[in-house]
Amino acid sequence: SQQGEEDPQALSIQEGENATMNCSYKTSINNLQWYRQNSGRGLVHLILIRSNEREKHSGRLRVTLDTSKKSSSLLITASRAADTASYFCATSTSGTYKYIFGTGTRLKVLA
Amino acid sequence: SQTIHQWPATLVQPVGSPLSLECTVEGTSNPNLYWYRQAAGRGLQLLFYSVGIGQISSEVPQNLSASRPQDRQFILSSKKLLLSDSGFYLCASFWYTQNTEAFFGQGTRLTVV
Repeated sequence: SQQGEEDPQALSIQEGENATMNCSYKTSINNLQWYRQNSGRGLVHLILIRSNEREKHSGRLRVTLDTSKKSSSLLITASRAADTASYFCATSTSGTYKYIFGTGTRLKVLA
Repeated sequence: SQTIHQWPATLVQPVGSPLSLECTVEGTSNPNLYWYRQAAGRGLQLLFYSVGIGQISSEVPQNLSASRPQDRQFILSSKKLLLSDSGFYLCASFWYTQNTEAFFGQGTRLTVV
């Protein structure tokens, strides 16, 4: 399967804590993106990191990328109940037009 | 920015019936278009993608097919649905040549009974 892997599959934390989720992929990439999906809805883009970047911030989000390990992490700081959702990484594969998603992490933030 | 229209939102179809899901894109031209399927509680599986009119690449042939009759229209079809075709189908538009985000429709939840 070309699908990336994310861990943990599920994560439950208290409001105010930080949430970290990881993504591993299998191919050379142009960029890696993180998306959020609320239950039964379409995906919403959170942040994009290019293959030549190592870290990127956006509000409470921090993304890192290690192309040598083919892995990325998403950190959500000071989590809120509204952050409860599934989070997916997606990679734009070099040399193809494929856009491959990971298996996702289901985050639950308890109020 | 782009807007992806996908319909219907929900669909219940009997086994063996045909399927046609339509996706249209506004706000851009010549996008790359994608069909994904998501099983309950799972990740997104790439089914088809298209880089232009009439150009379809299949990742998971099975009994599904896709067509792109117009630049901003992408259709997912089946002649005879199987129970295993149930799932959440998402259409996405993505500019491959630029480091930009993908835009998603709101999805169609298909239940084959």
